[in-house]
Amino acid sequence: DTEVTQTPKHLVMGMTNKKSLKCEQHMGHRAMYWYKQKAKKPPELMFVYSYEKLSINESVPSRFSPECPNSSLLNLHLHALQPEDSALYLCASSQGPGIETQYFGPGTRLLVL
Amino acid sequence: AQTVTQSQPEMSVQEAETVTLSCTYDTSESDYYLFWYKQPPSRQMILVIRQEAYKQQNATENRFSVNFQKAAKSFSLKISDSQLGDAAMYFCAYRSAYNNDMRFGAGTRLTVKP
Repeated sequence: DTEVTQTPKHLVMGMTNKKSLKCEQHMGHRAMYWYKQKAKKPPELMFVYSYEKLSINESVPSRFSPECPNSSLLNLHLHALQPEDSALYLCASSQGPGIETQYFGPGTRLLVL
Repeated sequence: AQTVTQSQPEMSVQEAETVTLSCTYDTSESDYYLFWYKQPPSRQMILVIRQEAYKQQNATENRFSVNFQKAAKSFSLKISDSQLGDAAMYFCAYRSAYNNDMRFGAGTRLTVKP
């Protein structure tokens, strides 16, 4: 089972809204990732959690706030986003840090109005 | 910093034929992993094949195989007996063995003609 699930599939929000994206995996993976993907571009790494601790933050604006409540769950809290933040947000997980293949979820398509 | 280059923005292949997608990378690290991911219109990133840099043998997964040339820093993907379902964006990716950083190439859009 290599399934990573993400909810919601689609999200439309205004610039003053607060919303959260959710990612879940039950493969026992200990590293989880958030990527942002604009249309016709490759994914860009945003955050990495390793053993539930934030290990990489790729200079992402503070309006994006990650959270890893436990080893199976990863959230991305959104607040005061800009229209240019509209993108596909992909979650991925891997067995451990540094060596293992990343498995991706289906993504959340976000539109900021 | 590591960079990944895919020089073919678009490729086309006839159904049942063979196509090769190119990828080169730049790194000073000795240990790393290389991947090909497929992203169909549904946007789900699907792992196609992976290669460990310390392995000389080229990875193979059914109709998919790679030509890994470590000295040349080249990692091409060969798709044999192409099927309509192979049509997608293909991303080459580099992952360091020393951290969680993974870098993607710009992608190659593959069209399969019936």
